[in-house]
Amino acid sequence: NAGVTQTPKFQVLKTGQSMTLQCAQDMNHEYMSWYRQDPGMGLRLIHYSVGAGITDQGEVPNGYNVSRSTTEDFPLRLLSAAPSQTSVYFCASSWAGDADTQYFGPGTRLTVL
Amino acid sequence: GENVEQHPSTLSVQEGDSAVIKCTYSDSASNYFPWYKQELGKGPQLIIDIRSNVGEKKDQRIAVTLNKTAKHFSLHITETQPEDSAVYFCAASIAGSQGNLIFGKGTKLSVKP
Repeated sequence: NAGVTQTPKFQVLKTGQSMTLQCAQDMNHEYMSWYRQDPGMGLRLIHYSVGAGITDQGEVPNGYNVSRSTTEDFPLRLLSAAPSQTSVYFCASSWAGDADTQYFGPGTRLTVL
Repeated sequence: GENVEQHPSTLSVQEGDSAVIKCTYSDSASNYFPWYKQELGKGPQLIIDIRSNVGEKKDQRIAVTLNKTAKHFSLHITETQPEDSAVYFCAASIAGSQGNLIFGKGTKLSVKP
């Protein structure tokens, strides 16, 4: 199993550009989440999904969209990037039978100029 | 909502000494408390967790204690080694929102040889 994979590893955007951060897991986990990590702030929940076709907002959802068309994939979309979205983004997944035990991907470092 | 405070923000110990990191949480309904280790450039990795029906849990050199009355939990690392150097995060589950966690802001542990 590859676990949780994220692409790209690094990305630089200009203000106003759009992009999609990819996340995939091959563990057949029902739960998937997106977090952002900023210096001195820990990890903050952006959006999460409890299964295909179901998504919900976390603590800091503004400026981000998600969809969950398959169990394996949970992409995060930035429609119009802003410098405040410069951060490291982590995707996580967990099994519904033990949803709190989350497994994290390696992260995407995003810089918005 | 849930809030998690983590102390200290930085910790430096000599190899072989013990390290203790403490976290407090605000929501007495939280029932799951994981600890993650994050090495530079990598995603958080679960190292140990504890549920609210248990007061202590050990795994080799790592232990976690939970005091539900005081709403705090701690990570104890004994016989520290240079490879223990990393950023450690505590987290607490969000009551009523299975699979979602609130994270502390992290502790940077440095183990000096």
